[in-house]
This record gives sequence, C-alpha cells and structure tokens, in this order.
Amino acid sequence: DVKVTQSSRYLVKRTGEKVFLECVQDMDHENMFWYRQDPGLGLRLIYFSYDVKMKEKGDIPEGYSVSREKKERFSLILESASTNQTSMYLCASRVDSSPLHFGNGTRLTVT
Amino acid sequence: SQQGEEDPQALSIQEGENATMNCSYKTSINNLQWYRQNSGRGLVHLILIRSNEREKHSGRLRVTLDTSKKSSSLLITASRAADTASYFCATPPDSSYKLIFGSGTRLLVRP
Repeated sequence: DVKVTQSSRYLVKRTGEKVFLECVQDMDHENMFWYRQDPGLGLRLIYFSYDVKMKEKGDIPEGYSVSREKKERFSLILESASTNQTSMYLCASRVDSSPLHFGNGTRLTVT
Repeated sequence: SQQGEEDPQALSIQEGENATMNCSYKTSINNLQWYRQNSGRGLVHLILIRSNEREKHSGRLRVTLDTSKKSSSLLITASRAADTASYFCATPPDSSYKLIFGSGTRLLVRP
C-alpha cells in the first residue's frame, strides 16, 4: 500500500513565522500535490510537482512556496505565516493519472 | 470557481437505508473520481469512472456518469454507521494534471 506521511498532525505557529510542512511518500510517485481544505470551500490546490525540482502553481499559490529536492519528499513553505493561512493542509501523490493517495493532513493554526 | 459541486451538502439517514449523492461539473473530462474523508483525516479514493462508462460498481457503491448532463451520482446501498464521512467528487478538467474537488457531501448514518 502507498503511504503518504505528513510530519505533523497539528501545528501552532505565530504570525510572521516561517513554517515548513513536510510530506514523504514511499511509492516512487512522480506527482505530488499540496491542497488546503477549509469548511465550505472544499480542497483547493496550492502547488504541485511532477518531478524533482519541478513545480507548478495551483489555484491559490500566494503566500506559499514549495521544495522538491528528492522524489519522495515535497515540502510546503509558508514564508511569513498569517492568520488566514490557518487551515487543514493535505499532501497527496500519484503516478501518471491514477487516483490520488493522501496523507492524514496537518491542521495548522496561526495565532 | 469549483469544477465539481456536490449535492446535497449534508445528508442524514438511518442505518440500512441507501444514500445518494450527486456531483455536477463544468468542463469536459476523461474521468471522474469519488473520495471519502473521515473526520480529521485525509481522503481515500473510492472509485473512478471513465468518460466512456455509464455505470460502475464496487461492493456497496454504485457510481453513474452522465456526460451529456455533466453529472455523476454515488449510491451507497445498505448504509452502515461506519459510512459516516464526507464524500467528494473530483475531476481533471480538460484532461489536465490537476484534480478539482467539490466542497463535499457530509453523510451521517444514524445507528
């Protein structure tokens, strides 16, 4: 079974802090994704990566950046956290156009 | 704007009853996927239906797709309390790499 692991289930950060959310998958998937999930808004795509060092903006990339130095790891970076980035963050991976495999999410609170 | 919109937003039924959730989308697609999310967890893929298929079954799940109406439905038969979760449809618009999710249907199955 594919395993997608997000490093933290819960995270509390202060406004202005630089925040790193880490995601690791163990199935050699080329494609990795970061979504955020907010009540009533569903899942919105922040960034995705289709190969090492390759990335593309999703629908809401503002305030975020990503890093993919190794195939199995995809990091989401909040350069200067703000309260409107309080959310559930979901990482996912897949090969080609197969269904997504999700991690269990990181619930981030920015105070 | 969201590609997929689920209807209803919330559904409460008695154990043993059937649950039907609907999804509408806007652009042409080559497949449509349904996912389930237990409270506070990541999403789990349930079933994928391709654009040339009209109906697909998996255990107690039945999915239909009507490309002329740009809509899909998910039927869960003989529901159980353990089916309580949120259900999302997701589509890759115009065969793109992205998966666009709707805001989901919250299903409550009362014992």
